[in-house]
Amino acid sequence: NAGVMQNPRHLVRRRGQEARLRCSPMKGHSHVYWYRQLPEEGLKFMVYLQKENIIDESGMPKERFSAEFPKEGPSILRIQQVVRGDSAAYFCASSRSGGRSNTEAFFGQGTRLTVV
Amino acid sequence: KQEVTQIPAALSVPEGENLVLNCSFTDSAIYNLQWFRQDPGKGLTSLLLIQSSQREQTSGRLNASLDKSSGRSTLYIAASQPGDSATYLCAEQTGANNLFFGTGTRLTVIP
Repeated sequence: NAGVMQNPRHLVRRRGQEARLRCSPMKGHSHVYWYRQLPEEGLKFMVYLQKENIIDESGMPKERFSAEFPKEGPSILRIQQVVRGDSAAYFCASSRSGGRSNTEAFFGQGTRLTVV
Repeated sequence: KQEVTQIPAALSVPEGENLVLNCSFTDSAIYNLQWFRQDPGKGLTSLLLIQSSQREQTSGRLNASLDKSSGRSTLYIAASQPGDSATYLCAEQTGANNLFFGTGTRLTVIP
């Protein structure tokens, strides 16, 4: 049973380009979360999704960032017109259920985005 | 304002010592608390999850406790080894579905 799979592991983009980060949750998990870790900072929640639904996007920047988790395929975090400040490690986590069910979250290896 | 604080920020111990990492949180409406390990440039590995109804969890040389009334959790590592060197993160899950992380304790175990 493969863990949470993220790709690419490293991504370099020039300012103004688009970045697409992919996350495949663990088998049997239907809840996906995206977190961002800026250099020398802690992990910050961005968005929580279930299949075809965004449940909580309170941590997402208002512009340029979007996320989806389609019925088929991985979850995608999309950053349009990237800027240097977007350089960070982006982590995806998945769980079997959400809310009060107290299920454990499992994290992927992350995608390290560098904007040059 | 929800805050999770980890003290100390960094810790160095000689191999074989027992040690305690501290985590405090401000939101008492906690669902669970999870401890993770992060190696440099790597992802997070889940170590222990304590549900709000529990007081502690154990896995091998690791023991984590939870005291909701005081807003504290501790991670106890027995007989530390150089391979334990990593950053340890605690994270609180409350009414929202996401985890709220502390900034971590960077542990170095000296051979």
